[in-house]
Amino acid sequence: EDQVTQSPEALRLQEGESSSLNCSYTVSGLRGLFWYRQDPGKGPEFLFTLYSAGEEKEKERLKATLTKKESFLHITAPKPEDSATYLCAVQENSGYALNFGKGTSLLVTP
Amino acid sequence: GAVVSQHPSWVICKSGTSVKIECRSLDFQATTMFWYRQFPKQSLMLMATSNEGSKATYEQGVEKDKFLINHASLTLSTLTVTSAHPEDSSFYICSAPSSGATGTQYFGPGTRLTVL
Repeated sequence: EDQVTQSPEALRLQEGESSSLNCSYTVSGLRGLFWYRQDPGKGPEFLFTLYSAGEEKEKERLKATLTKKESFLHITAPKPEDSATYLCAVQENSGYALNFGKGTSLLVTP
Repeated sequence: GAVVSQHPSWVICKSGTSVKIECRSLDFQATTMFWYRQFPKQSLMLMATSNEGSKATYEQGVEKDKFLINHASLTLSTLTVTSAHPEDSSFYICSAPSSGATGTQYFGPGTRLTVL
């Protein structure tokens, strides 16, 4: 059973059309939830770390929120350069490893 | 943010040969580094945890004799794929936490391995 589930698998937006990506997780004890952006053929680029329910973080057009069961990555007025795969990962209290979801592939068209 | 480099960025080798991939933390020290593998259209899967000065810890199903890991210094970990076969072709990515083993992990740019 997957611990981290991301939805949708793929999302196509018009430039300026805001939307949200979802990451639901099931862990016994959450140390942290991480959002990364990955461009094709490259390593993941760190975006945010969230540690506790109710926490929010923002960076430019992106805003990440966290509840006890899920996290959302809100994209406001996206631009074509926001096109990428967005990965969510959780780290449990019991270890160091990151458990990744399968990602959401975002395409923003002009 | 913290910078992690990998070398080479891509490599093509013949079946049966060994390939070494380097992972370096450029502006911080890392006693722990992580090696991931990513197949096309799939997410990252942790292969092993590299520990400076001690043996690596491998995830279930990862052959430690095939994927040799050496963490010789606080800024360098290497992954050697021994006797590579076509099914080992993948995208190998390393990461390092910038502050302690549980800190935010910063990823290298990845190494594309193709085994013919």
